[in-house]
Amino acid sequence: TQLLEQSPQFLSIQEGENLTVYCNSSSVFSSLQWYRQEPGEGPVLLVTVVTGGEVKKLKRLTFQFGDARKDSSLHITAAQPGDTGLYLCAGERAGGTSYGKLTFGQGTILTVHP
Amino acid sequence: GAVVSQHPSRVICKSGTSVKIECRSLDFQATTMFWYRQFPKKSLMLMATSNEGSKATYEQGVEKDKFLINHASLTLSTLTVTSAHPEDSSFYICSAKWGGQGSPLHFGNGTRLTVT
Repeated sequence: TQLLEQSPQFLSIQEGENLTVYCNSSSVFSSLQWYRQEPGEGPVLLVTVVTGGEVKKLKRLTFQFGDARKDSSLHITAAQPGDTGLYLCAGERAGGTSYGKLTFGQGTILTVHP
Repeated sequence: GAVVSQHPSRVICKSGTSVKIECRSLDFQATTMFWYRQFPKKSLMLMATSNEGSKATYEQGVEKDKFLINHASLTLSTLTVTSAHPEDSSFYICSAKWGGQGSPLHFGNGTRLTVT
């Protein structure tokens, strides 16, 4: 079973549209990170959220961490072709042997058409 | 600039041979590094946790004799795919953590392994 459910897995939209990607879990995470990955490269960190209810904005991207720290969302406003890529959410469990060990969602492949 | 360097970026090998992939943390010491495998258009699958000075911790279903991990120093971890087969062809990515709880992982740029 997938610990972190990410949806949708595929998203194809026109330039200028808005979109939201969701990550949900029954587990509590001490932090949740969002990454963007281009083909043939490693993931690049977009944001880390650590506080329940936290909202962070990065230009046209808005990230939310659920109050219970079990879910998160990424909202993109007025998507552009340059936003195309694989988006990954990843949660970190608290302490102990889980230090640094991330659980990844399935990923969302976003394609923004001009 | 990149804080984690992975080498090589691409490698093609013949079936039955072994391939070593290096992961280096630049300008910081990483007592723990992680190795992932990624299939096309799929998410990252954690293979193992590499611990400096001790044995790696493998995830369930990952063959430790097939994927040998050595973390010989605080800045270098290596993954050796032994007796490679075509089904081992994949994108392998390493990461290292710099900082305490909640600090992000820094990823290498990955290694595309093709076994012919």
